[in-house]
Amino acid sequence: DVKVTQSSRYLVKRTGEKVFLECVQDMDHENMFWYRQDPGLGLRLIYFSYDVKMKEKGDIPEGYSVSREKKERFSLILESASTNQTSMYLCASSQYKQGTYEQYFGPGTRLTVT
Amino acid sequence: GDSVTQMEGPVTLSEEAFLTINCTYTATGYPSLFWYVQYPGEGLQLLLKATKADDKGSNKGFEATYRKETTSFHLEKGSVQVSDSAVYFCALSVMDSNYQLIWGAGTKLIIKP
Repeated sequence: DVKVTQSSRYLVKRTGEKVFLECVQDMDHENMFWYRQDPGLGLRLIYFSYDVKMKEKGDIPEGYSVSREKKERFSLILESASTNQTSMYLCASSQYKQGTYEQYFGPGTRLTVT
Repeated sequence: GDSVTQMEGPVTLSEEAFLTINCTYTATGYPSLFWYVQYPGEGLQLLLKATKADDKGSNKGFEATYRKETTSFHLEKGSVQVSDSAVYFCALSVMDSNYQLIWGAGTKLIIKP
């Protein structure tokens, strides 16, 4: 089974702190994604990466950056956390299977910025 | 641009009731369509998918048929259980970038015993 792990399930940070969210997948997938999930808004793509050191902005990249130094690891960085970044953050990786790409998700990190 | 519209929730049903969660989409070309489920406190997991028109995806008693003529992919189950309580997301693949998905807002399903 594909496994995607995230470094923390719950995180509380103060406004202005630099925050690192880590994601690791164990299936050698090339594509990895960071989403945030807010009630009523579904999933919104922050950044994705299709290869080591490659990244593309998603729909809401402002206030975030990412790093992919190794194929299995994709990090999301909040340079200076703000209260409007309080949210659930979901990491995913994807592979081509039976005619299309399927995404596999980690358990999520619930981040609270106070 | 491409988009997915799901029925708003929450949807509340009694155990053993018939379930339909509506999903319609707007897309260029012929995307693949997905239903994902998120149980409380967990990440999303793929429930079923369909890659071309008239395909039926099925899993765990859930079914959805890819209807090109009505641009729909409604999720159905004949008899729901309390354990089906979760949030359900409809999604489609982006044609010029097959590894990205466009997501619906999610529909919360509550099943009462």
